[in-house]
Amino acid sequence: DVVMTQSPLSLPVTLGQPASISCRSSQSLVHSDGNTYLNWFQQRPGQSPRRLIYKVSNRDSGVPDRFSGSGSGTDFTLKISRVEAEDVGVYYCMQGTHWPRFTFGPGTKVDIK
Amino acid sequence: QVQLVESGGGLVKPGGSLRLSCAASGFTFSDYYMSWIRQAPGKGLEWVSYISSSGSTIYYADSVKGRFTISRDNAKNSLYLQMNSLRAEDTAVYYCARKDYGDLDYWGQGTLVTVSS
Repeated sequence: DVVMTQSPLSLPVTLGQPASISCRSSQSLVHSDGNTYLNWFQQRPGQSPRRLIYKVSNRDSGVPDRFSGSGSGTDFTLKISRVEAEDVGVYYCMQGTHWPRFTFGPGTKVDIK
Repeated sequence: QVQLVESGGGLVKPGGSLRLSCAASGFTFSDYYMSWIRQAPGKGLEWVSYISSSGSTIYYADSVKGRFTISRDNAKNSLYLQMNSLRAEDTAVYYCARKDYGDLDYWGQGTLVTVSS
């Protein structure tokens, strides 16, 4: 199975400052169809996960443009340009290239310093 | 708008059974693969199972294979997860999610399953 790792696992940030989360996969996430199925999810406290980014860098509808995704192959990054209080939560990357088994990263907890 | 609403969770003894349901609306249910994902208390996300749009293709995580059965009723816009031989380690919030090729785009609010004597 593909193993997803994230760093850091905990990320205290100052309001208004940038934040960056790294996600690495144990195998390339480039699918035979040419797409790279790497999603980013946000899970606010007490809520279900919400997808922010799909196919590495595509923002979902309604997601603020301070969120951006980048990367290729096995290395990916989620960036928040200026952290706001509502961004507190846990962020997960997930690969869907090597299905049938989707695999998630362990999560990165973002909170305010 | 797309809505997924899970139900059927609760407290069950080890070795017991439970059937979860997920009611879908706001999209053509029969066009999409669907999936179950779970999250143990304070832990990360674990993919459990998915089913093709027609129900003809099904996959399970090794941790639930042989104990859980996923199914769907396209006429009722509903997804199910029959869970048998439940163990303490199956305690989790169970989410249904819509699968859009290699992505999981919409998730429900989840239903809590607690396995305890």
